[in-house]
Amino acid sequence: DIQMTQSPSSLSAPVGDRVTITCQASQDISKYLNWYQQKPGKAPQLLIYDTSRLQRGVPSRFSGSGSGTDFTFTISSLQPEDLATYYCQQYDNLPPTFGGGTKVEIK
Amino acid sequence: QVQLQQWGAGLLRPSETLSLTCAVDGDSLSGYYWSWIRQSPGKGLEWIGEINHTGSTKYNPSLKSRVATSVDTSKNQISLKLTSVTAADTAIYYCARGEITILSWCDPWGQGTLVTVSS
Repeated sequence: DIQMTQSPSSLSAPVGDRVTITCQASQDISKYLNWYQQKPGKAPQLLIYDTSRLQRGVPSRFSGSGSGTDFTFTISSLQPEDLATYYCQQYDNLPPTFGGGTKVEIK
Repeated sequence: QVQLQQWGAGLLRPSETLSLTCAVDGDSLSGYYWSWIRQSPGKGLEWIGEINHTGSTKYNPSLKSRVATSVDTSKNQISLKLTSVTAADTAIYYCARGEITILSWCDPWGQGTLVTVSS
């Protein structure tokens, strides 16, 4: 299985800050990477697919980039409602695998 | 707006069979793959498998010997069975919609069903 390593595992930042999360794959996955947001007690929700494509209805402050083995997820201006855990997921190989998550807290 | 509503037994004894159903409201099963994913504190998010409206499936090799999924197009429902459960299968189980191709992204997700395996 492809291992997905996210960092940091948690972070705390004030409202308005730029937040960056990285995700590293154990092998080349081309562009086949998604990002999900999971709010406390809720199911995950797709934010970004194919590395950088914003899912319909998702605010433009969320963005993604990268290719191969190294990927980045950015919140350009952190908002109170962004309190959540964020996960990356590769779908280049069977089985699709998820990163361990990054818990984002508001200072 | 597509909504997925899932249900099933929440408490199982070791060796029993987990059985969950997911009803799709607002969309047809046709044209998509439909996934099952579980989440536990110990293993995080784990993809179980997916199925389309024709019954074509892909499973996680680590679970393949114990997993079966099915579709009921007349009811617009998908189902998951996991046999011979152990405590390691304790998790929140989700159904989710994929895309027309296998192995893509999942959106939206069902509300989740907590399944606990305990003697």
